[in-house]
Amino acid sequence: RKEVEQDPGPFNVPEGATVAFNCTYSNSASQSFFWYRQDCRKEPKLLMSVYSSGNEDGRFTAQLNRASQYISLLIRDSKLSDSATYLCVVNWRDTGFQKLVFGTGTRLLVSP
Amino acid sequence: GAVVSQHPSRVICKSGTSVKIECRSLDFQATTMFWYRQFPKQSLMLMATSNEGSKATYEQGVEKDKFLINHASLTLSTLTVTSAHPEDSSFYICSARSWTERAKNIQYFGAGTRLSVL
Repeated sequence: RKEVEQDPGPFNVPEGATVAFNCTYSNSASQSFFWYRQDCRKEPKLLMSVYSSGNEDGRFTAQLNRASQYISLLIRDSKLSDSATYLCVVNWRDTGFQKLVFGTGTRLLVSP
Repeated sequence: GAVVSQHPSRVICKSGTSVKIECRSLDFQATTMFWYRQFPKQSLMLMATSNEGSKATYEQGVEKDKFLINHASLTLSTLTVTSAHPEDSSFYICSARSWTERAKNIQYFGAGTRLSVL
């Protein structure tokens, strides 16, 4: 089983649509959770941290369910510029070091 | 936000040569730096974690003699791919975590280095 699992997509949606991505993780000792965005052939950029209480940043809403080891990202009113790969990222402590573990990403394509 | 500079952005080299990649934190002190590798359509895979002034900790399956990491200062880490071969061709990305933000474990990423070994 992969440590962080995501549906690779692609998700093809029209502008203005609402789209949701899910992610599951295997390590119950995971400590913190993030969504990163990666554009083609570029480095990942932090989109938002994810908290159990749920958090929102503009059109983006992230949710964490620790009991189910499940993370979600909701994007409302999709823009063309939202087209990218969204990486689910989990942090846990391994042999004394904290490390980030990345999912393979979910690709989103927003069309006019 | 914090800036991490990675250089060079693109390298094309012959098989058997060594390639050095630099990673600098420009406006903060990075006590810990991370090196990742990403193959096409795959996730970022952590290669090693380095703390300033100490030896890097390599992930399982990563050859420490092939991927030499030096973290000599709080703002600079280097990765040297020794005797590169075509299978080492990949996208190498560094990231840095500041001491002051260590509790949040937010990492700032460099722009990556695309290595092509002929």
